[in-house]
Formats: sequence, structure tokens, C-alpha cells
Amino acid sequence: DAGVIQSPRHEVTEMGQEVTLRCKPISGHDYLFWYRQTMMRGLELLIYFNNNVPIDDSGMPEDRFSAKMPNASFSTLKIQPSEPRDSAVYFCASTSPPGNTIYFGEGSWLTVV
Amino acid sequence: AQSVTQLDSQVPVFEEAPVELRCNYSSSVSVYLFWYVQYPNQGLQLLLKYLSGSTLVESINGFEAEFNKSQTSFHLRKPSVHISDTAEYFCAQSLNDYKLSFGAGTTVTVRA
Repeated sequence: DAGVIQSPRHEVTEMGQEVTLRCKPISGHDYLFWYRQTMMRGLELLIYFNNNVPIDDSGMPEDRFSAKMPNASFSTLKIQPSEPRDSAVYFCASTSPPGNTIYFGEGSWLTVV
Repeated sequence: AQSVTQLDSQVPVFEEAPVELRCNYSSSVSVYLFWYVQYPNQGLQLLLKYLSGSTLVESINGFEAEFNKSQTSFHLRKPSVHISDTAEYFCAQSLNDYKLSFGAGTTVTVRA
């Protein structure tokens, strides 16, 4: 299996622009997670889905952030408008019971200038 | 709320020396514990996990961790490290809902 696939790997954008991060979970996994990693706050869970339905979005920082999962093999995390403080590494991850092992993608490194 | 405390932010160690990374979790009736490793510029990889059963869990590359309920700890150890073990290590906890709560991470730097 190719693992969790994220794109883009790196993105530099200007403040105010829309950013869309994409994720393809491991085939057959029915849970999908979006995490954000920063030096100041470490790893934070933003949102997770089960069977394409958002279960908990309490970690989404504000309305500028939105996430969708239109089907079992694709999810997006969108930031509109982006701000410099959104600069971080955004990880997508997936899993399926049993076992509780969550597999992470390589991350999308976002820089907002 | 769940919380995971990693007691050391930086651990320098010489090659072939032992290393211990300390982790304490918040107590719960049922808890799953994990150690993830992040190599530079890469994503997180599962190192080992405790779900139930034997309190000592091992990874394929020589790491082990022991679940200690009375001390609410899940410390990670390796008897002899290699240069390639240089990475950041994250302890994590979840209940039954797959939501991982991560510690702040411990950076291990192995020197020759």
C-alpha cells in the first residue's frame, strides 16, 4: 500500500490567499484525521472523519478553516483567507479498527508570508 | 481532558549508550498508549503501542516501553542507540475514540 498521500508537500503563499491541502487515506481505512504541527503548540488534532462524516471538529481554530471528505478516498483542508500564523506542517492520517494504529502522511509544509 | 507529559525536551546521547525517554499520561479507566518517531522532514511513524495485555511492548528496532499503571507512565527505552535513532519521539494517548493526544515531543540526538 502506498500509505497516506498528501499534497502539496510544500507550499508558500501570500497572506490572504486560499490554501487547499489534499489527502488520500489508506484504502479501506474509515477514519481520517487532520493534525497541525507547530513549534509553539506541538501536534494538534484539527478534525476527524468516520465514514466520510465529520465526527469532531472542535480543534479547528476558526471559521477560516474548513475540511471536507466527499468520498472515502479523498479529503481536503482549506484555509481561506490564510494568515502568517497558519504556517505549520499539516498532517493527514488514517486508520481502521481493530488495532488503533493511526498512519500518518508525510505532511504538507505550509508557509504563509 | 487527556494530557500527556514528556518530561525531557532534549536528550543528547552517545552512540551505543542506553537511552530512556519519559512519558506520563493522564489516568483513565481505559487508555491506549503509543510512541511515534519523526525523522527530520518526515511524517510520524508508529514505533510501538500498548492496547492491553503484557505491560512490556517492543518494537522491531530495539525499542521497548513499559506500561506502569500505578505511576501512569509509559517510558521508552533502548539499551544501545545508533546514529540513525536521531529523531523526535512523541508519546501519545487515546481512549476509545481514536483521538490521539500527543506529548510535546523529545528530541534525541545521537553523537558518535
